[in-house]
Amino acid sequence: DVKVTQSSRYLVKRTGEKVFLECVQDMDHENMFWYRQDPGLGLRLIYFSYDVKMKEKGDIPEGYSVSREKKERFSLILESASTNQTSMYLCASRPGTGGREQYFGPGTRLTVT
Amino acid sequence: AQSVTQLDSQVPVFEEAPVELRCNYSSSVSVYLFWYVQYPNQGLQLLLKYLSGSTLVKGINGFEAEFNKSQTSFHLRKPSVHISDTAEYFCAVSNTGTASKLTFGTGTRLQVTL
Repeated sequence: DVKVTQSSRYLVKRTGEKVFLECVQDMDHENMFWYRQDPGLGLRLIYFSYDVKMKEKGDIPEGYSVSREKKERFSLILESASTNQTSMYLCASRPGTGGREQYFGPGTRLTVT
Repeated sequence: AQSVTQLDSQVPVFEEAPVELRCNYSSSVSVYLFWYVQYPNQGLQLLLKYLSGSTLVKGINGFEAEFNKSQTSFHLRKPSVHISDTAEYFCAVSNTGTASKLTFGTGTRLQVTL
């Protein structure tokens, strides 16, 4: 079974702090994704990566950056957290070929106070 | 560009009743279609997918969906729901290119009661 893990289930940070959200997958998938999930808005893509050291902006990249130094790990960085970044953050991975479904981690609920 | 519309934000239903969750998509190219389920405080789990072939797709937990190209729909159905089906359901679409991304609908909350 594919396993996608996220470093924290719940996180509380203060406004202005630098926040790191970590995601690790164990299936050698080429593609990795970061989404945020908000009530009534569904999932919105923040950033994605098709390979190590590669990154592409998604639909809502403002206020975020990412890092992918190793194939299995994809980090989301909030350089200076703000209250409007309070949300559920979901990481996903997908192989480069074959079925197009993405495999999701359990999510990190981030609260910025 | 593509988009997904889930018109029903909430669907209440009694246990053992049938249910249909509606999904319509918009795309100028060929698509793949997915339904995901999210149980409380969990990530998303794939229910079923349509890539090609038969337009009636069967998934896990007794769910099925039918791809209708002319109506650009991919409605999810279950003939008899259980309390444990209470969850949020997301429809998603991607194009068929190798560098495809998923576009999600806003979700439908299925509430099953006795």
